[in-house]
Order: sequence, then structure tokens, then C-alpha cells
Amino acid sequence: GQQVKQSSPSLTVQEGGISILNCDYENDMFDYFAWYKKYPDNSPTLLISVRSNVDKREDGRLTVFLNKSGKHFSLHITASQPEDTAVYLCAAGSKLSFGKGAKLTVSP
Amino acid sequence: DMKVTQMPRYLIKRMGENVLLECGQDMSHETMYWYRQDPGLGLQLIYISYDVDSNSEGDIPKGYRVSRKKREHFSLILDSAKTNQTSVYFCASSLGQGKSAETLYFGSGTRLTVL
Repeated sequence: GQQVKQSSPSLTVQEGGISILNCDYENDMFDYFAWYKKYPDNSPTLLISVRSNVDKREDGRLTVFLNKSGKHFSLHITASQPEDTAVYLCAAGSKLSFGKGAKLTVSP
Repeated sequence: DMKVTQMPRYLIKRMGENVLLECGQDMSHETMYWYRQDPGLGLQLIYISYDVDSNSEGDIPKGYRVSRKKREHFSLILDSAKTNQTSVYFCASSLGQGKSAETLYFGSGTRLTVL
């Protein structure tokens, strides 16, 4: 079965708002969690990653929150911009199991 | 300039034909991967290679095989392609031995259509 799940396939946010993307995982041995961004007809690129020894990691407008007991992690994008519009893929584990992706649309 | 190169970008084949997808990287990365991406299914790992002639099945290896004879090249082979192998195939590489997760660098993908 799917080891990493993104339950919401799409999200629309107003420019300047906070985008929140969620991801659940099944294997409690996973110790690495990542978010990749993908534009149409382009390859995925790493946005931000975190290891299981921390609960949170910030990088500019991006923050990853990790809830190990709930087997859940999320990506928060503050001050969302139209150029943030893309598909966001969460991934977890040493062999990187990916979620199905969630399309974020930031409307002006 | 770090790069993962995939050839070709687009490919159309008939059912039953053999297919060869090529991937190269210029970063001396040890670990390389083949994924396929289908609508609504995200990226699914087909095979992972930890180094030359050291390959391991991913989550969906059936119908595929791989070859890695040089560290910088990783090929995906479909013997007798099937229509359900129509997909976008991504190659990726990472620096280390792949046993602990690291940043993946992806190629631009090959869109394969099997008629």
C-alpha cells in the first residue's frame, strides 16, 4: 500500500496567505522527510528536508513541522506568491517513498 | 554544473517492442534511481542502483530491468513493452550510498507512449 499519503490533491490560496500542505506516513521507522516542488513538464526539485531528531525546520518562507507520534508532517509556506503555484510532493524514508502530490494554486 | 540527463525526452513505441531509456549524471553520484510518474499516483520507485552492478528492486519492478555498467550511466529496459507502461519516467541520483536518504537530483523525464 501507499506508505506516504497526501490526502488533499489540491489547494488554492490567496496571494500573501499561508499555504499548508500535509503528509501522513505509515512506517514509524522513517527518519527523513522531504518536500519536493514540481512545475509542469519539469523535474522535481528539493525544497526542504528534515530528519527525525527535530520537530521543525525553517528556511525563509518555508517551515516543515514533524509530528512523529502522529506520523504526520506538513509544509507551511508563508506570504504565498503566484510563483509558488506548482505540485508539491512529500517524501519520507531512506528510499524516499513519495506521496501522490498536491497541486497548490496561489491566486493574485 | 550538476546535471542528470535523460534521453530521449519523448518516445513512442508499439506494444511488444523493446525500449531503452538512458540516464547519465556528471556528479559522480553513487546512487541512481528510476521512477515512473502517473496521474494521481505520484512517483513510484522502479529500481535503485547503489553502484556499478549493484541494483535493487524498488516498489514496482515487474516488467522492467536495469543496467549500470558505469557509475555515471543507468539504463532502464522494457523487454516487450506493454500499453500500461505508458508513463513519464524520471531518473535521479544522490551522492551517497542511498542507505540513508539524501537530496535526489532528477532528470527532466522521458515521456513514453506505448501504442
